[in-house]
Amino acid sequence: DAGVIQSPRHEVTEMGQEVTLRCKPISGHNSLFWYRQTMMRGLELLIYFNNNVPIDDSGMPEDRFSAKMPNASFSTLKIQPSEPRDSAVYFCASSNRATNEKLFFGSGTQLSVL
Amino acid sequence: AQKVTQAQTEISVVEKEDVTLDCVYETRDTTYYLFWYKQPPSGELVFLIRRNSFDEQNEISGRYSWNFQKSTSSFNFTITASQVVDSAVYFCALSEDPNYGQNFVFGPGTRLSVLP
Repeated sequence: DAGVIQSPRHEVTEMGQEVTLRCKPISGHNSLFWYRQTMMRGLELLIYFNNNVPIDDSGMPEDRFSAKMPNASFSTLKIQPSEPRDSAVYFCASSNRATNEKLFFGSGTQLSVL
Repeated sequence: AQKVTQAQTEISVVEKEDVTLDCVYETRDTTYYLFWYKQPPSGELVFLIRRNSFDEQNEISGRYSWNFQKSTSSFNFTITASQVVDSAVYFCALSEDPNYGQNFVFGPGTRLSVLP
C-alpha cells in the first residue's frame, strides 16, 4: 500500500511568493494532520482535519497560512505571502481509528524561503 | 491541556551501552494514547510503539523496551546494547481521544547519538 504522499519534496522560493504544499493521505484514513518542524520549535501541529472538516487550526501561525481538504484523498497547505521564517520541514500525516490510532507520516516537504 | 515533556535534549552513549529516554506527559483525560516515534538522519518519522492508558504492562521488542507508569505520568523508552543505527531523534507523543477525532501532541524530542 502507498503511504502518505507529499509533494514537492523540496521547495525553494523567494520571499513574497505563494507556496502550496500537497498531501495525499492513505486511502481509508479519516484524519489528516499538518505539522511543521523547525530546530527551534520542534514538531508543531498546525491543523488537523477529521472527515475532511478542519477540527483544530489553532496551530496555524497567522493568516498567511491556510489549509484545505476538498476531499478524502487530497489536502493542501498554502502560504501566501511566504517569509524566510516559514522555512521548515512540513509533514503531513494521516490516521484512522481502525489502525490503532497511530499516525502515518509522509516524507515531508523541505521549504526554504529566501 | 495536554503536554509532553522530554527533559533530555541530547544524549551521547558509546555503542553497546544501555540508554533510557524519558517522557513525562500531562492530560486531564482518562483515555489517552502514548507513542514513541523515531526520526533518523534521513528525516522520516517512524512509528515505534503505541500504548493506551488502560494498559500499563511494560513492553519489550528486541532491544527496545518501554516502561509506562501512570502514577508518575511517565512513558520511558530504553534501548539495550545500543547500536550506531539507533542514532536518531526520538519523539514521545500523546493523543487524547475525543469523539470527533484525534490530535497528537509531540514532545520536543531527544537526540540520541551512539558512538562507535
